[in-house]
This record gives sequence, C-alpha cells and structure tokens, in this order.
Amino acid sequence: GENVEQHPSTLSVQEGDSAVIKCTYSDSASNYFPWYKQELGKRPQLIIDIRSNVGEKKDQRIAVTLNKTAKHFSLHITETQPEDSAVYFCAASSGNYQLIWGAGTKLIIKP
Amino acid sequence: DAGVIQSPRHEVTEMGQEVTLRCKPISGHDYLFWYRQTMMRGLELLIYFNNNVPIDDSGMPEDRFSAKMPNASFSTLKIQPSEPRDSAVYFCASSFLQGSGTEAFFGQGTRLTVV
Repeated sequence: GENVEQHPSTLSVQEGDSAVIKCTYSDSASNYFPWYKQELGKRPQLIIDIRSNVGEKKDQRIAVTLNKTAKHFSLHITETQPEDSAVYFCAASSGNYQLIWGAGTKLIIKP
Repeated sequence: DAGVIQSPRHEVTEMGQEVTLRCKPISGHDYLFWYRQTMMRGLELLIYFNNNVPIDDSGMPEDRFSAKMPNASFSTLKIQPSEPRDSAVYFCASSFLQGSGTEAFFGQGTRLTVV
C-alpha cells in the first residue's frame, strides 16, 4: 500500500526566510497531494493541493511542486511570518479517497 | 453550513467505561472519516464511510472500537471498554466525490482522556 514519508520533523527558520518541507510517496498511482496546516490545539486545514497532471501550483506565499518521476512533492513557504508557525502535514491519495498522511513537520518561525 | 460538528469537545472518563463520540458531517458530503491523533503515532485513519457504508476499518485498533453511520448526517465512534492508552484527540472529517481527490474538512475534534 501507499506510504508517505515527510521531512524534516522539525524546521526552524528566521522570520522572513523561506521554508521547504518535503514528502515522498511510494504508490505511483497516487494522483492527489494536499497539504494541511494544524495550529496548536486546532483542526488540520487544507492550505494547498496539487494533482498529478500539474508540476507546480502557487497561492501567494505558498507553493507546492510535484515530481512524479521521483515520487516526491514539496511545500514552499516564502517570506515566513509568525502566523506560519504550525504543524504541516502532507498526504497522498490514489483516487480511493483514502488519504495517506505524512508524520508532520513542526515549523517554528524565529522572530 | 456550520462545518463538521463533533461532540463532546472534551471527555474525561474512567478506565473501563464506555465512551461515545459523535459527528455531524457537512451536508451533501458522501465520505466520512474518523481519525485519531497522538504525539507518538501522529494522525491515524481509523475507519471511513462512503454513503453511510463502512469501506475500510483496517485502522480500528481493536474490537473495543466500533463505528456506525446510521444516516447521512450522523456518525458515532464508540470505545467499550476504554483504556488509558485510548487517550488522544479524535477527529471526524467529511468530503465529497470530486475527481481524483478532494479536500477533507475536519471537525474541531474530541479530546479524550481516560484515567
């Protein structure tokens, strides 16, 4: 079955710098890759997603890239701000609507 | 729509007691998921339903756990008997059929503490 690995588990960056979180997946049939943000004590919420027919998607300071050949996808956050501090989860789905989740990355923005 | 609604928000119970968690999905959504989140194991899918039918319950840890979805607007997750290791945040999420994948909308979660 599908397996999703996420790195790093913790990422600390200076405010204003960029942050990159990477995920790899094992099932080549996976075709949907969302990223969720979970603030402390709150629910996970979708921030951006990408489907296998595109290689990159951008939404303001957030972007996701997908490399189907290498089976990995990444979340890029530019000009980080304190409110970006949270745990970020990647996931992959092969069309059966069952999301397989990465272990999460705790992003710390240092002032 | 008010989003996915879970109750209770917090539950403290004694070991051995029965616990029932409740979820109301977003109207029109045909998929419902139950997740458990802990620091040690992260976000785990326990079971999911499609059109009220359980599709995959392979994530349910033991027979002590059971889930039902009697209609499109209500689901329960029951633990009987509860144990301290069941302490976690339990999330319910719902989504609707849309191509190859779609956003899962999470409820606010139920924080369960078994003492």
